[in-house]
Amino acid sequence: QSALTQPASVSGSPGQSITISCAGASSDLGSYSYVSWYQQHPGKAPKLMIYESNRPSGVSHRFSGTKSGNAASLTISGLQPEDEAHYYCTSYTGSRLLIGGGTKLTVL
Amino acid sequence: QVQLVESGGGVVQPGRSLRLSCAASGFTFSSHGMHWVRQAPGKGLEWVAVIWYDGSYKYYADSVKGRFTISRDNSKNTLHLQMNSLRAEDTAVYYCAREGNLPPRLDYWGQGTLVTVSS
Repeated sequence: QSALTQPASVSGSPGQSITISCAGASSDLGSYSYVSWYQQHPGKAPKLMIYESNRPSGVSHRFSGTKSGNAASLTISGLQPEDEAHYYCTSYTGSRLLIGGGTKLTVL
Repeated sequence: QVQLVESGGGVVQPGRSLRLSCAASGFTFSSHGMHWVRQAPGKGLEWVAVIWYDGSYKYYADSVKGRFTISRDNSKNTLHLQMNSLRAEDTAVYYCAREGNLPPRLDYWGQGTLVTVSS
């Protein structure tokens, strides 16, 4: 049972925007913790997409992240076919890394 | 460039032990915390353990506490995961990942090594 709750699936058409939510509790997302988002294509290792509200070098500007209270969200604008993947949110306190159950993004 | 290469996976019987390794290159290994994250077949990611950059602190998921031990050899740029008393539910691809410095995040991942616990 993941302590961070994500929708199992979301979908969108090319060019549209979608948002994936990540709900936690005051003891994790709501406390002193660091939020990150990862993309995983089938058979591949996860890839860091967002940390706090930052994008690593090389990640498209179409990806953005926010955090408010006990929740975080990942927004992907201008959906492209290659965005179809699983996405995971994480919350790290320095001694524990919580990982959401993952969201399957389908690009219609 | 940063590279993380896991090794040591395989098929093992329940109750037995296995030791995974992660060879790091392309960065100052001794300056970064390191994590193990696993993924059971068809399932989501599950965090396993973290070790601080100097090995002074180690933390584990409840599911592996007391059975798994994370360690590192900064002189050899290598991370290890000693897995004892293995169970069928430990079957997964095990990834090592580098923790980027503040704000912390898992910025580089290995390709993973498959551990299958089966009789």
